[in-house]
Amino acid sequence: GAVVSQHPSWVICKSGTSVKIECRSLDFQATTMFWYRQFPKQSLMLMATSNEGSKATYEQGVEKDKFLINHASLTLSTLTVTSAHPEDSSFYICSAPGTVSYNEQFFGPGTRLTVL
Amino acid sequence: GQNIDQPTEMTATEGAIVQINCTYQTSGFNGLFWYQQHAGEAPTFLSYNVLDGLEEKGRFSSFLSRSKGYSYLLLKELQMKDSASYLCAVLDSNYQLIWGAGTKLIIKP
Repeated sequence: GAVVSQHPSWVICKSGTSVKIECRSLDFQATTMFWYRQFPKQSLMLMATSNEGSKATYEQGVEKDKFLINHASLTLSTLTVTSAHPEDSSFYICSAPGTVSYNEQFFGPGTRLTVL
Repeated sequence: GQNIDQPTEMTATEGAIVQINCTYQTSGFNGLFWYQQHAGEAPTFLSYNVLDGLEEKGRFSSFLSRSKGYSYLLLKELQMKDSASYLCAVLDSNYQLIWGAGTKLIIKP
């Protein structure tokens, strides 16, 4: 199956700094990628849909100025958490639909963000 | 609104069988997924059902009834490594995945 990678796997940063998370489709092109956040013992929460070459679509309640998404190429989407605060500490996961069928979803391994 | 319900936690014994239920109410339906998620890891795909009936894949089977808005995941010959959270997710009419909160499965020896 298709492979999606994320970098970094984990990051610890100070409050007020910005952190960039990369999501790459390694062996296929992804015009759309999804960004999720998952707090402990909770399910995945869709944050935004990243579209190659256009603006991301954010879910209600997600601050677009705080979570900057850039989908500059068909294989890379980035999520930047700006001015991070401890409450932003979470597990961030990206996914991309397959090329054969939109019913396939390939997940990245996730990024654990801890803001001190 | 859109809603997916599944039990929060279940406990089963190694070697036994367990059934995890999922009921859903969504705007449109383009299929139902089951994912397994170990703590600290991303979800991994288990099954996809879009037609009514039972899909069997090794020790895992998944059932769907669209008229009842109901699915279950059946795990046989449970192993300790099956201890994980199991997530039910429905693809709605906009091809957006709606996620359940997950069922934490605890396997005891």
